[in-house]
Amino acid sequence: AQSVTQPDIHITVSEGASLELRCNYSYGATPYLFWYVQSPGQGLQLLLKYFSGDTLVQGIKGFEAEFKRSQSSFNLRKPSVHWSDAAEYFCAVGDHGGATNKLIFGTGTLLAVQP
Amino acid sequence: DTAVSQTPKYLVTQMGNDKSIKCEQNLGHDTMYWYKQDSKKFLKIMFSYNNKELIINETVPNRFSPKSPDKAHLNLHINSLELGDSAVYFCASSQSTEMDIQYFGAGTRLSVL
Repeated sequence: AQSVTQPDIHITVSEGASLELRCNYSYGATPYLFWYVQSPGQGLQLLLKYFSGDTLVQGIKGFEAEFKRSQSSFNLRKPSVHWSDAAEYFCAVGDHGGATNKLIFGTGTLLAVQP
Repeated sequence: DTAVSQTPKYLVTQMGNDKSIKCEQNLGHDTMYWYKQDSKKFLKIMFSYNNKELIINETVPNRFSPKSPDKAHLNLHINSLELGDSAVYFCASSQSTEMDIQYFGAGTRLSVL
């Protein structure tokens, strides 16, 4: 069955430090992969997506992610974290079966940023 | 101008009541979705409509009835509310049923007392 695993429930980093959030997926076909961010009390905002092509994708707010098929991973990175990056981050795989498509989400990683 | 808007933002009600949540998108998209986010922040799809036609129904209790009067609107009606229905409900839309970005609303926090 299709699934997404985010092994880290909660991560704390210092402002200015680098960040990597892990995401592993299980999907039988070519995966469509997404990272969304949810700030407190807000909806989900797309950070970046991977559909095909270059396995290193750039997103908004200085985030990037690398698709590694051999590791079934799509980890999110940022070289220097800002206090405003504190939020919940969700990795998702697009399940596109037949005439439908839906997102299957991981359980999220809560990022805290220390001054 | 908000792309996907939901009303109300907060909904507090008693067990057994019936309530509705409304969703509208001004993106010109054909496909709309309802997702439920539980108390552990886990997000799961409930329904999807394409051009007013139901295309995904993820074994949701039939107390939940989505309605799409036109392709810009997808409402969610819930009968006989239960404590377990307390959650945040997100509406989303995408261009079509082809794999594409889904744009989410700000969510409706439903609390059943």
